Amino acid sequence: EVQLLESGGNLVQPGGSLRLSCAASGFTFSISAMTWVRQAPGKGLEWVSTISGSGAVTTFYADSVKGRFTISRDNSKNTMYLQMNSLRAEDTATYYCTKGGRSSGHMDVWGIGTTVTVSS
Amino acid sequence: DVVMTQSPLSLPVTLGQPASISCRSSQSLVYSDGNTYLNWFQQRPGQSPRRLIYKVSNRDSGVPDRFSGSGSGTDFTLKISRVEAEDVGVYYCMQGTHWPWTFGQGTKVEIK
Repeated sequence: EVQLLESGGNLVQPGGSLRLSCAASGFTFSISAMTWVRQAPGKGLEWVSTISGSGAVTTFYADSVKGRFTISRDNSKNTMYLQMNSLRAEDTATYYCTKGGRSSGHMDVWGIGTTVTVSS
Repeated sequence: DVVMTQSPLSLPVTLGQPASISCRSSQSLVYSDGNTYLNWFQQRPGQSPRRLIYKVSNRDSGVPDRFSGSGSGTDFTLKISRVEAEDVGVYYCMQGTHWPWTFGQGTKVEIK
């Protein structure tokens, strides 16, 4: 069974940092593009960042997080990460890990999400 | 950025009746490979989103055949042939043709 499990969400002060993790199982992680999507409380879905699968690693970021967030992956651990720095109140959201990019089908599997709250 | 505009934003429906959600993009979603990367997602209350439809009209495994997607270019539609109670939730269209990938605002489907 394909599974994605996020962790690392927490309450953090503005300007602080947090690292989210997404543990994957049930599919060939190393060749799969992976994406973070977030949802602010009571709001819609927002694409955050994508990292490519096989071949040279390519990363993409929403303008709202560019320069502050860094996406990465460790194929030996079947895990994707999102390093979040200089956090702002508007980064408060549930962060979902999703599998798949353009070639394999966008976001065909979603995790349960992890909650990040940025507040003093 | 490509703007995805859904309508209506709220859709009260009677059980057993059809429902239709429109999604329009601010530019064509036809990619250079000839595919159109328009997806539909369902988010039931309290749950993670789930993909229903990919590349305009392809139903994901396990998705009931009462759900169908259609459209081309900039104009797309998700239809539910006969709404059931389990269909309550918010539906999002999303384009994966152009960076950044963008979602529609969401359409809330509820039972009258």
